[in-house]
Amino acid sequence: DAKTTQPTSMDCAEGRAANLPCNHSTISGNEYVYWYRQIHSQGPQYIIHGLKNNETNEMASLIITEDRKSSTLILPHATLRDTAVYYCIVRVGDNDMRFGAGTRLTVKP
Amino acid sequence: GAGVSQSPSNKVTEKGKDVELRCDPISGHTALYWYRQSLGQGLEFLIYFQGNSAPDKSGLPSDRFSAERTGGSVSTLTIQRTQQEDSAVYLCASSLWGDTEAFFGQGTRLTVV
Repeated sequence: DAKTTQPTSMDCAEGRAANLPCNHSTISGNEYVYWYRQIHSQGPQYIIHGLKNNETNEMASLIITEDRKSSTLILPHATLRDTAVYYCIVRVGDNDMRFGAGTRLTVKP
Repeated sequence: GAGVSQSPSNKVTEKGKDVELRCDPISGHTALYWYRQSLGQGLEFLIYFQGNSAPDKSGLPSDRFSAERTGGSVSTLTIQRTQQEDSAVYLCASSLWGDTEAFFGQGTRLTVV
């Protein structure tokens, strides 16, 4: 039972912002939104997470809608090294962490 | 500091044999996860350890799979009577607490021939 819905694939031009959407319409009040990415042949890498406020770190920004039913991960200036599968996960803090199919982002020169 | 370490990095085994995969989490991390990733597929959750709580084993695909975590640190995933469909990369991750960012190892590539 997938808790999130993401597009299968997306393209982005190098240097432009990559905006990756995630739908989590059944999210409950105590569930956080997490984003990870997996570059080919590597283990997944944590990017960012949030509850209801927008968050920003050195890698990305996370925009969560007011009703918390969807969110967008923003990579402000995508590079070729950002080509990866991006996973959006919702989870209660002290609980297992399950990944969906994710979005395959391809950054093109 | 050291990250999550998994061993071996590669393992080839004959069908029917048992295998043990090891995960050394980051020191002090209370949460530990195991996943399986078949070629070209997503991450399949297997098992989750959190502190001294009973592990969440709901993702283990069959009773041939088991895992333990000794002393709240090192974890071993055991697959008995391996089958060809067990061939995959097995990934381990740990986090300081259940709700903090998880750090992944590089995985063990298991090939059953």
